[in-house]
Amino acid sequence: EAGVAQSPRYKIIEKRQSVAFWCNPISGHATLYWYQQILGQGPKLLIQFQNNGVVDDSQLPKDRFSAERLKGVDSTLKIQPAKLEDSAVYLCASSSRTGAARNTIYFGEGSWLTVV
Amino acid sequence: QQQVKQSPQSLIVQKGGISIINCAYENTAFDYFPWYQQFPGKGPALLIAIRPDVSEKKEGRFTISFNKSAKQFSLHIMDSQPGDSATYFCAASVNKAAGNKLTFGGGTRVLVKP
Repeated sequence: EAGVAQSPRYKIIEKRQSVAFWCNPISGHATLYWYQQILGQGPKLLIQFQNNGVVDDSQLPKDRFSAERLKGVDSTLKIQPAKLEDSAVYLCASSSRTGAARNTIYFGEGSWLTVV
Repeated sequence: QQQVKQSPQSLIVQKGGISIINCAYENTAFDYFPWYQQFPGKGPALLIAIRPDVSEKKEGRFTISFNKSAKQFSLHIMDSQPGDSATYFCAASVNKAAGNKLTFGGGTRVLVKP
């Protein structure tokens, strides 16, 4: 079974520029998450989708961050304009909706962003 | 109230020794407590998880101990191996039909010396 796919793996941009990250979850997983992991810290949830609907985006800085999952499969996270403090790893994750498996959240390898 | 506090930030253990990582939480609604292992350059991977209706769960060399009254849980790595060198995160969530919103601790970097 293929894991959570993310791209690009690495991105360096200047502050005030924009960047977009793409995620393809595990096939059949209805729930998709975007986490931000700053170096030396635990991941922090930015947004959670159930199919193509937003379940939780309470910690998403909506003035600069946006995310969509239009067809309920893959997702895009965009940052515009980027700030220095946005330098982090952006982790996409997914989980199944049914049974005990819904408790297991599978993470991708992350997209590393450096804002200079 | 959503915070999960993890300690220590780092630890060094000799091969064959026991690594112990502790976590504490405040939100009594949390009902799912996983531990994730993360290697450099990789995403976190689920290691072991426990629900508050049991006090201990063991999988191989990894054991979770859970103290509901104290709102604390810990990970014990028995017979630590150099391959266990990684960052470990505790987490907690409220189990919902729409999926789990994991709140992570700050992480513990474990180094196992050969």
